[in-house]
Amino acid sequence: SQTIHQWPATLVQPVGSPLSLECTVEGTSNPNLYWYRQAAGRGLQLLFYSVGIGQISSEVPQNLSASRPQDRQFILSSKKLLLSDSGFYLCAWTRGVRTEAFFGQGTRLTVV
Amino acid sequence: GQQLNQSPQSMFIQEGEDVSMNCTSSSIFNTWLWYKQDPGEGPVLLIALYKAGELTSNGRLTAQFGITRKDSFLNISASIPSDVGIYFCAMEYGNKLVFGAGTILRVKS
Repeated sequence: SQTIHQWPATLVQPVGSPLSLECTVEGTSNPNLYWYRQAAGRGLQLLFYSVGIGQISSEVPQNLSASRPQDRQFILSSKKLLLSDSGFYLCAWTRGVRTEAFFGQGTRLTVV
Repeated sequence: GQQLNQSPQSMFIQEGEDVSMNCTSSSIFNTWLWYKQDPGEGPVLLIALYKAGELTSNGRLTAQFGITRKDSFLNISASIPSDVGIYFCAMEYGNKLVFGAGTILRVKS
């Protein structure tokens, strides 16, 4: 069966520090991968998606970047965090269009 | 980008009541998805709709894909305390999966 792992679960980082959140998927190959950010009690904002290794599409201009060094690994990064980067970050995967998205447990990031 | 308008923004209902929420878009889509998110977790798919006019049930949940392909509704019958959470509509275009702002459901027992 397929599983998605996302870590860490919580993170407190000072302003200006770097960030690296990792997401890995097991039990499937060539998934579509997504990073979302969610403000408290609000909707999910699509940040990046990837349909293959090295292929990254960015949805909104921001202080973050994403990379996909391996087929089932998706990394969200920042060189210097801002206070506004705080939020709940969710990684998800699908097999492609018209299929269910499966989400990781999320990372709650607080920038102080 | 594509936008989904979800209403109501939040609901506070009595246990046992029926609930209705909807989602609209200015564009036509081929897929409507409804997800539920429990506090501190990722969303989980409830119902997927792939054809205009399609009406699909999942236990106490019923969802319909509007004939115009620009809207969808989700109904929950006889709500219970565990229905608490955020309900999202979502749609796919290209390889993107885009979510509405969500309806927060709170249930009084």
